[in-house]
Amino acid sequence: GQNIDQPTEMTATEGAIVQINCTYQTSGFNGLFWYQQHAGEAPTFLSYNVLDGLEEKGRFSSFLSRSKGYSYLLLKELQMKDSASYLCAVRDGSSNTGKLIFGQGTTLQVKP
Amino acid sequence: SAVISQKPSRDICQRGTSLTIQCQVDSQVTMMFWYRQQPGQSLTLIATANQGSEATYESGFVIDKFPISRPNLTFSTLTVSNMSPEDSSIYLCSVLDSLNTEAFFGQGTRLTVV
Repeated sequence: GQNIDQPTEMTATEGAIVQINCTYQTSGFNGLFWYQQHAGEAPTFLSYNVLDGLEEKGRFSSFLSRSKGYSYLLLKELQMKDSASYLCAVRDGSSNTGKLIFGQGTTLQVKP
Repeated sequence: SAVISQKPSRDICQRGTSLTIQCQVDSQVTMMFWYRQQPGQSLTLIATANQGSEATYESGFVIDKFPISRPNLTFSTLTVSNMSPEDSSIYLCSVLDSLNTEAFFGQGTRLTVV
């Protein structure tokens, strides 16, 4: 079966660092994605990991450990505009469609 | 990157009627997907739209309720049939880039069934 877990809500302070964790158990694995979604908008791509390790892109970094079925998204120097939902998604490797299976999302609130 | 045009952006429909949502991509893509996002929830995959063959539906979704067309590599439609208030949701079209390393989303269709 497919199971992707993220915390439901998190709160952090402007200028701080926050780490959003994601654990997954899927029948196949072919990459993990992080998306940001502001209320009323479509998800926007943040990062993609297929190999173990850390991928850094500006204020955002994503880490993957395939053996542990674990990833995290790290947001540095938090800004008020970072308040959004963050979605972890695993690409299904058991089929040839490449479909993404999404976690329930983490709502991040950044406070002044 | 791919630019996706999805319409309508929103609609309010009477129960028992059907609504067809269109998804147009500015480049040819192999994989197109339809997702549903219910209020306050994450994205649930409805089906994979296959060009030239029947769509592949996920568990809990059937063709009679959500017929899908994919006449070519840049266009797809999703129909929500015989609607009920439980179908009120945001419906999103998505495509994978040529390297399969990024998925792009349309702006979504916000459907309200009354």
